Amino acid sequence: DAMVIQNPRYQVTQFGKPVTLSCSQTLNHNVMYWYQQKSSQAPKLLFHYYDKDFNNEADTPDNFQSRRPNTSFCFLDIRSPGLGDAAMYLCATSRLAGGPDTQYFGPGTRLTVL
Amino acid sequence: GQNIDQPTEMTATEGAIVQINCTYQTSGFNGLFWYQQHAGEAPTFLSYNVLDGLEEKGRFSSFLSRSKGYSYLLLKELQMKDSASYLCAVRDSNYQLIWGAGTKLIIKP
Repeated sequence: DAMVIQNPRYQVTQFGKPVTLSCSQTLNHNVMYWYQQKSSQAPKLLFHYYDKDFNNEADTPDNFQSRRPNTSFCFLDIRSPGLGDAAMYLCATSRLAGGPDTQYFGPGTRLTVL
Repeated sequence: GQNIDQPTEMTATEGAIVQINCTYQTSGFNGLFWYQQHAGEAPTFLSYNVLDGLEEKGRFSSFLSRSKGYSYLLLKELQMKDSASYLCAVRDSNYQLIWGAGTKLIIKP
């Protein structure tokens, strides 16, 4: 089945220790998104790629970086995680950025910062 | 600023009908989405409205009034598995999705 896969599902890191979350997709979608979601809050878009074009949200901290080496894979790097970065990180894809194309989400990675 | 408003929490009884409202104020409008999110899981797509009116999909229906900046999600014949958060999201003029914080729906037997 075509899908969006995130690894790991649960990640524990220490304060200030870099961590990388990964996302892969078999949908061959052009657009990949990274969201941060805290409990009972709306997903917050961090950035997205339209093919290789990177689009950073204005309020995304510099601590968050992303890489998309090819169509299928996208990575979220948190250079120095703080306690406030503990959250669910959701990867999503869409075929296009507009129209009725919906975003398809992976299962998420829950990040704990100790 | 851009804003999506939904009730924080609603409670309903198994077998009943519930309507979850969403009002929005965004820079432009290019469609409204409803997603279902079970606790600890990713959102899953439920419905998409871009024109005024009602879209029906099985037990779920979604309504849109663009002039009023208003939508609702109607869930019929509620089942225990419908206990989840329901997120309203609007695509703005830049084709960015603006998300509501979600409505937590609690189903009681």
